[in-house]
Amino acid sequence: QVQLQESGPGLVKPSETLSLTCAVSGYSISSGYYWGWIRQPPGKGLEWIGSIYHSGSTYYNPSLKSRVTISVDTSKNQFSLKLSSVTAADTAVYYCARHDSSGYSFDPWGQGTLVTVSS
Amino acid sequence: QSALTQPASVSGSPGQSITISCTGTSSDVGSYNLVSWYQQHPGKAPKLMIYEGSKRPSGVSNRFSGSKSGNTASLTISGLQAEDEADYYCCSYAGSSTFNWVFGGGTKLTVL
Repeated sequence: QVQLQESGPGLVKPSETLSLTCAVSGYSISSGYYWGWIRQPPGKGLEWIGSIYHSGSTYYNPSLKSRVTISVDTSKNQFSLKLSSVTAADTAVYYCARHDSSGYSFDPWGQGTLVTVSS
Repeated sequence: QSALTQPASVSGSPGQSITISCTGTSSDVGSYNLVSWYQQHPGKAPKLMIYEGSKRPSGVSNRFSGSKSGNTASLTISGLQAEDEADYYCCSYAGSSTFNWVFGGGTKLTVL
């Protein structure tokens, strides 16, 4: 079964770039599906950040588009998120997830990783 | 793109049924039958419970059902059990010229 695992720094300074990687096991990214990033600020709801197809086509939340870059490395079977010019408002648990076979839902999800933006 | 509107909390006793609403607009919930629902226990990742409005993934109890009317989607849980106590989030596809998804603010379900 497919499993996803996020990794990256847990603390990022304001104005810097947040970088996270999602390692995928049990499935080859190059075989298909869309792969996405979703975040959840402490005590708040979920927000879709963006998604990428195995071919590299990307789709971003319009509200974050100017600061987000998602890329895929099929040789390492992983995909990555970069969020630039971060502020305290970007503090959140960041999840990676695979879109399901329909493409319109997210399943499964990684366990999530907390990223705190603070000096 | 505004978040979908969910009640902050709902509650019910074991064995009862509850319904959680998710109100969007004609640009998201109203335009597509592509609402999904997620269950999240404290400190855990969300789990897909309903997709494409009313379909259940393999392994999800048939006590969970989804529906839609106009701009409002609903999740109904019948025969409430203690383990159903969790946060529930709706999500709708909202793309027009490009892919886009919007989530609800979440509903805390308490099993009394």
